[in-house]
Amino acid sequence: KQEVTQIPAALSVPEGENLVLNCSFTDSAIYNLQWFRQDPGKGLTSLLLIQSSQREQTSGRLNASLDKSSGRSTLYIAASQPGDSATYLCAVILRGSTLGRLYFGRGTQLTVWP
Amino acid sequence: EAQVTQNPRYLITVTGKKLTVTCSQNMNHEYMSWYRQDPGLGLRQIYYSMNVEVTDKGDVPEGYKVSRKEKRNFPLILESPSPNQTSLYFCASSDRTGVDSPLHFGNGTRLTVT
Repeated sequence: KQEVTQIPAALSVPEGENLVLNCSFTDSAIYNLQWFRQDPGKGLTSLLLIQSSQREQTSGRLNASLDKSSGRSTLYIAASQPGDSATYLCAVILRGSTLGRLYFGRGTQLTVWP
Repeated sequence: EAQVTQNPRYLITVTGKKLTVTCSQNMNHEYMSWYRQDPGLGLRQIYYSMNVEVTDKGDVPEGYKVSRKEKRNFPLILESPSPNQTSLYFCASSDRTGVDSPLHFGNGTRLTVT
């Protein structure tokens, strides 16, 4: 069974810092990996999706990388802002007959203070 | 506006009283799925559907039923709810079987079973 771990569980940083969130997974036979953002009381919003054949994806101040061989992905947030405060989750889909099954990490709760 | 709509947003019920949580999407997506989110356990997949009339179990299907009779709707049915099904539930959808494109989430249904 795929296990997805996110470290740290919580992070508090001053505005303007560049930061890295980590996601690790135990089964490297993934189809893709997604990063999400969840605001309190809301659903998840997809930030970036990386296919297994890709090494990274970028959207604005966000950059996600994928290293299948080591079972890791990182989400890099440049020049953090208070509006970035939220919980960030990663999820993987495995290759094979269970295509469609998603495995989520428990998230990193990020607080960016002014 | 493209969206995934869940109803109701809040539901309090008693043990054993059958209930249905509805989920509807207006994006003509093939893939739909249900999740529950619990403190300390994160998001876990309950069921998913790759297309009409095709459903599969996720991590925690026990006590739940789903059906996919039409593309836009994917209701979650609790035939005999129990207190351990008290949770925050999310529905999500995606284009192209959900493995190649980002997931869109509803705003959640907070269920309390007494």
